[in-house]
Amino acid sequence: EPEVTQTPSHQVTQMGQEVILRCVPISNHLYFYWYRQILGQKVEFLVSFYNNEISEKSEIFDDQFSVERPDGSNFTLKIRSTKLEDSAMYFCASSGGAAEAFFGQGTRLTVV
Amino acid sequence: AQSVAQPEDQVNVAEGNPLTVKCTYSVSGNPYLFWYVQYPNRGLQFLLKYITGDNLVKGSYGFEAEFNKSQTSFHLKKPSALVSDSALYFCAVRDGWSSASKIIFGSGTRLSIRP
Repeated sequence: EPEVTQTPSHQVTQMGQEVILRCVPISNHLYFYWYRQILGQKVEFLVSFYNNEISEKSEIFDDQFSVERPDGSNFTLKIRSTKLEDSAMYFCASSGGAAEAFFGQGTRLTVV
Repeated sequence: AQSVAQPEDQVNVAEGNPLTVKCTYSVSGNPYLFWYVQYPNRGLQFLLKYITGDNLVKGSYGFEAEFNKSQTSFHLKKPSALVSDSALYFCAVRDGWSSASKIIFGSGTRLSIRP
């Protein structure tokens, strides 16, 4: 069964460092998303991406964040200068045009 | 904007008993509603959806949900709970009718099934 894959599963970084979280969406999907979840609590929307551009972004997704689809398979989230409060589980998701989205297993980001 | 609410932080059920996890929604127009499940240290797994049609929708692992327009509810149900159903359950709604629209999640309900 096709699935969304995310790497790495766990990333530890120093405050102020740049991190790139990687995702491989389901191959024929066209709509991509990033979400985050802090301490197993509410799932928060960050950004949606379609046709090589951002469709929508939340207030969380400030200038420190960026997304890119550098080739036909990867979808990345970059945080330029990490802060302690960026520590969270980050989920990538993709949708093929049906209503539901499918999520990856997540990357646990720990900023120290 | 669309929203969903899960009024219970925790639901405790004995194995073999029926379970219900509650969700109410607030949308303009016809909603696209979902249930997702999250097992410890795992991603969000799609369970079922309501878009249109039959108010009772069936999903994975024996779960079903009933769409009730008059009560603006979309409760998740299962006739007989298993210990392995213990997890965090999220109700969600798509914020629009485009696949580019974000999915908005409720606060989650932790389901605990005791043997």
